[in-house]
Amino acid sequence: EIMMTQSPATLSVSPGERVTLSCRTSQNVDSNLAWNQQKPGQAPRLLIYDASTRAAGIPARFSGSGSGTDFTLTIDSLQSEDLAVYYCQHYNEWPYTFGQGTRLEIK
Amino acid sequence: EVRLLESGGGLVQPGGSLRLSCEASGFTFSKNAMSWVRQAPGKGLEWVSGISFRGGSTYYADSVKGRFTISRDNSKDTVYLQINRLRAEDTAVYYCAKLYNYAYLDVWGQGTTVTVSS
Repeated sequence: EIMMTQSPATLSVSPGERVTLSCRTSQNVDSNLAWNQQKPGQAPRLLIYDASTRAAGIPARFSGSGSGTDFTLTIDSLQSEDLAVYYCQHYNEWPYTFGQGTRLEIK
Repeated sequence: EVRLLESGGGLVQPGGSLRLSCEASGFTFSKNAMSWVRQAPGKGLEWVSGISFRGGSTYYADSVKGRFTISRDNSKDTVYLQINRLRAEDTAVYYCAKLYNYAYLDVWGQGTTVTVSS
């Protein structure tokens, strides 16, 4: 099973700032990585797939990068509605494991 | 509109069984692999199980192998999760999700809540 490590666990950021979230996998997953956003009280939704491709309807301020074992989700000019927990997930092989999540708090 | 609607959750005693259902609409269900993901109260997402588009291949997390069974009925556009020998640690919201080309989860349902308690 591929282990996923996200950092930091929690991040407190002011609106308008740039945010960088990290995800590391225990094995090479090439670009088979997605980022999901879960707002309070809601189901998760897909943000980024194939490490860097935005899903339909996702604002351009969200971007993903990385390949192999190290990945980054960047949010440019943070908005208050971006308050959420962000999860990375690989799909390189079964089981498709998730990271433990990064909680984004708005100052 | 693409939708996934879960049902079948509830309060169950330890050792009991439950079958969750997820009805799909708005896409060709029979051509898509499907997955279940769960989230315990206050915790993160845990991938639980997956099934191929015809149902011939199934996949499980080690934590549920032997107790959970995923299946599907393409004539009813529905995927199921049979949960046996329920434990307190199975208490969670269970989400159904569609896989895009056996890869990422591109559509999620709203979830159904399972509570295991005596």
